[in-house]
Amino acid sequence: SQTIHQWPATLVQPVGSPLSLECTVEGTSNPNLYWYRQAAGRGLQLLFYSVGIGQISSEVPQNLSASRPQDRQFILSSKKLLLSDSGFYLCAWSQSGTTNEKLFFGSGTQLSVL
Amino acid sequence: AQSVTQLGSHVSVSEGALVLLRCNYSSSVPPYLFWYVQYPNQGLQLLLKYTSAATLVKGINGFEAEFKKSETSFHLTKPSAHMSDAAEYFCAVRGDNAGNMLTFGGGTRLMVKP
Repeated sequence: SQTIHQWPATLVQPVGSPLSLECTVEGTSNPNLYWYRQAAGRGLQLLFYSVGIGQISSEVPQNLSASRPQDRQFILSSKKLLLSDSGFYLCAWSQSGTTNEKLFFGSGTQLSVL
Repeated sequence: AQSVTQLGSHVSVSEGALVLLRCNYSSSVPPYLFWYVQYPNQGLQLLLKYTSAATLVKGINGFEAEFKKSETSFHLTKPSAHMSDAAEYFCAVRGDNAGNMLTFGGGTRLMVKP
């Protein structure tokens, strides 16, 4: 069966520090991968998605970036965190070659930038 | 472009009472609609989805939703609330953007009182 792992579960970082959140998927190959952010009191915002190694699409401009160094690994990064980067970050995957209907989510990372 | 509006960021019901969570959408293409649930400290999981078959969709844990094209709505209901239903619920529409990404509503936190 397929599983998705996301870590760390919680993170407290000072403003201006770098960020690296990692997500890995097991039990499937060539998945579509996503990073969502859930800010307090707001809905889910799609940040990045990837349909293959090295292929990253950004939905919103920001100081975050994403990379997909391996088929089932998706990394969210920042060189310098802002206060507004605080939020709950969710990684997700879906089957490739479909209309991306069903997403499977990781357990999330609560990021607090102080 | 597509959008989703969830009326009521917080809904409180008594145990055993009817649950009604509202969702209205806009989409320039025939919509595929979804409800996801997020239990405390967990990622999201799919409750149910509408994909142009039956307009009344039954999901897990006794939830169901009815697609009403004339009202552009996809409200989530459950006849009798249980304490374990306390969670955040997200309505989503499959997008008409490149890649058919899901667009999520702002979420509704359901609280169940004993």
